[in-house]
Amino acid sequence: DAKTTQPTSMDCAEGRAANLPCNHSTISGNEYVYWYRQIHSQGPQYIIHGLKNNETNEMASLIITEDRKSSTLILPHATLRDTAVYYCIVRTYGQNFVFGPGTRLSVLP
Amino acid sequence: GAGVSQTPSNKVTEKGKYVELRCDPISGHTALYWYRQSLGQGPEFLIYFQGTGAADDSGLPNDRFFAVRPEGSVSTLKIQRTERGDSAVYLCASSLKGGSTYNEQFFGPGTRLTVL
Repeated sequence: DAKTTQPTSMDCAEGRAANLPCNHSTISGNEYVYWYRQIHSQGPQYIIHGLKNNETNEMASLIITEDRKSSTLILPHATLRDTAVYYCIVRTYGQNFVFGPGTRLSVLP
Repeated sequence: GAGVSQTPSNKVTEKGKYVELRCDPISGHTALYWYRQSLGQGPEFLIYFQGTGAADDSGLPNDRFFAVRPEGSVSTLKIQRTERGDSAVYLCASSLKGGSTYNEQFFGPGTRLTVL
């Protein structure tokens, strides 16, 4: 079973920041938070991951709360091409990825 | 560069038939993964290869499913006596090495299997 809970769906206006929440209240100390997304009819695509510090790359930012029980993926300026299902996954060394149903993000013009 | 490729992109078969799905990972990637994705669900892990050997096949649903990677690159997922419930998108992913903390998996586009 997935160790995370995410809203089923979200809308975001084009050009605005998309903030996707994820709860992982049972996360253990050696588990990382990963985010993948899946655009329609494509395979999932890696976005970002982190342990406890906030992370940023060219695609997104990952904000992890101090207690690590939740995190937020931020797409700073959402475009129509960001419409996808976003998966939040917690995983440690040697574990396989367990995908939940994710959040379906719709970026609206 | 070339990403993960999967063939065929679509496969329609009849119940009871045998099917093979092929995955070509990114060159140099030692780890290869198979997932199955049903409509509206996230990918479900099936099997993980490190090199030629199956390091973890705990996700295979039953003994009708089998996968090989004889030379440590291309992999084939084999399904015997297909059932309608096997209909799904079968995804393949590869990573530079498996089991590490940093383990970005690159996914192929999938093979859509339909069992009539």
